[in-house]
Amino acid sequence: AQSVAQPEDQVNVAEGNPLTVKCTYSVSGNPYLFWYVQYPNRGLQFLLKYITGDNLVKGSYGFEAEFNKSQTSFHLKKPSALVSDSALYFCAVREGMDSNYQLIWGAGTKLIIKP
Amino acid sequence: NAGVMQNPRHLVRRRGQEARLRCSPMKGHSHVYWYRQLPEEGLKFMVYLQKENIIDESGMPKERFSAEFPKEGPSILRIQQVVRGDSAAYFCASSPSGLPAYGYTFGSGTRLTVV
Repeated sequence: AQSVAQPEDQVNVAEGNPLTVKCTYSVSGNPYLFWYVQYPNRGLQFLLKYITGDNLVKGSYGFEAEFNKSQTSFHLKKPSALVSDSALYFCAVREGMDSNYQLIWGAGTKLIIKP
Repeated sequence: NAGVMQNPRHLVRRRGQEARLRCSPMKGHSHVYWYRQLPEEGLKFMVYLQKENIIDESGMPKERFSAEFPKEGPSILRIQQVVRGDSAAYFCASSPSGLPAYGYTFGSGTRLTVV
């Protein structure tokens, strides 16, 4: 069965430090991977996605994520955190098959950036 | 391009009343997905619709919940005889295609409070 795990409920980082939000997945075929961010009382905003090609994907707001097939991971990273990055981050996966439309979502990781 | 529009943003209903949540997808998008988010939790898939068709309603409770996406007009998520446990944020997302390469565009959500 397809699944996504975000092992940390919350990540605390000091402003200016690098941040990592972890995501691992399980699918039977090729994964299509996504990161979304949710600010308080708002909908989800697309950050980046991996479909194929370069394992390092760059997205919005200076975020990037690295696809690691052997570790089945797609961790979200940023070299230098900003207080405004504080939000809820969701990882999602769908199998790379034409007939499979559903995104499977992780439970979310709350990122807190302290000044 | 107005994005995905959901209304109302906030909805208060008494127990036993009906709640109607509306979602207008992005222009050119014919696929609509409804999700529910409980406080401090991730997204739970409810239903996937294309124009005039329900493709997958496996996440919908068997009773009181229904969804439609008519040929003209927005998609509607209807909850009859609401109970306190229905209090949640309901998000709609749309995509131009059901193919896996596309992520979703989300609306800002409707926050339903049942009193």
